[in-house]
Amino acid sequence: QKEVEQNSGPLSVPEGAIASLNCTYSDRGSQSFFWYRQYSGKSPELIMFIYSNGDKEDGRFTAQLNKASQYVSLLIRDSQPSDSATYLCAVRGDNAGNMLTFGGGTRLMVKP
Amino acid sequence: DVKVTQSSRYLVKRTGEKVFLECVQDMDHENMFWYRQDPGLGLRLIYFSYDVKMKEKGDIPEGYSVSREKKERFSLILESASTNQTSMYLCASSLQRTGDEAFFGQGTRLTVV
Repeated sequence: QKEVEQNSGPLSVPEGAIASLNCTYSDRGSQSFFWYRQYSGKSPELIMFIYSNGDKEDGRFTAQLNKASQYVSLLIRDSQPSDSATYLCAVRGDNAGNMLTFGGGTRLMVKP
Repeated sequence: DVKVTQSSRYLVKRTGEKVFLECVQDMDHENMFWYRQDPGLGLRLIYFSYDVKMKEKGDIPEGYSVSREKKERFSLILESASTNQTSMYLCASSLQRTGDEAFFGQGTRLTVV
């Protein structure tokens, strides 16, 4: 069984700080890695995806991937109260039959 | 605009009833997924399909079945609903290319009494 692990939190950071969210996965065949944000009572929405080792930046968000360590992270710079949500890590393989597997999510709280 | 539509936002069913949850996407996506989401457990995959009439079991298929007769529609069936199937059910779809995101429907909150 493929596993994706996240610390459930809550992770509490002050407004303006950097929030660091971490995710580990068990399947070395995983090829694509996604970060979703989910507000309470809403469906998940994609923030970023990454599939090459290293960093990928998009505005205040940076995704980091280390396939050797089976580790993916999301950094949120200049955190805002509106970033308060649950962040879900998801992984999938590269074949048609590879499912998209989610971690349990990390709840982030950004305090004004 | 991308759209995944689930047939109901809220459902209340009785124990033992057969329940159908419908999901339709208008993006010509090959992949479609059914997840359930429970507090503290995250999203758990029930079934997914990567083509018409193709289905694969996810992590928790027991008590569920699925049907995909057309590319745009993926149905989740609870053969005999039980109270432990009370949950939020989320449908998603995606292309098969590496990096393509999954788009989610609005969710169906099912209560089995």
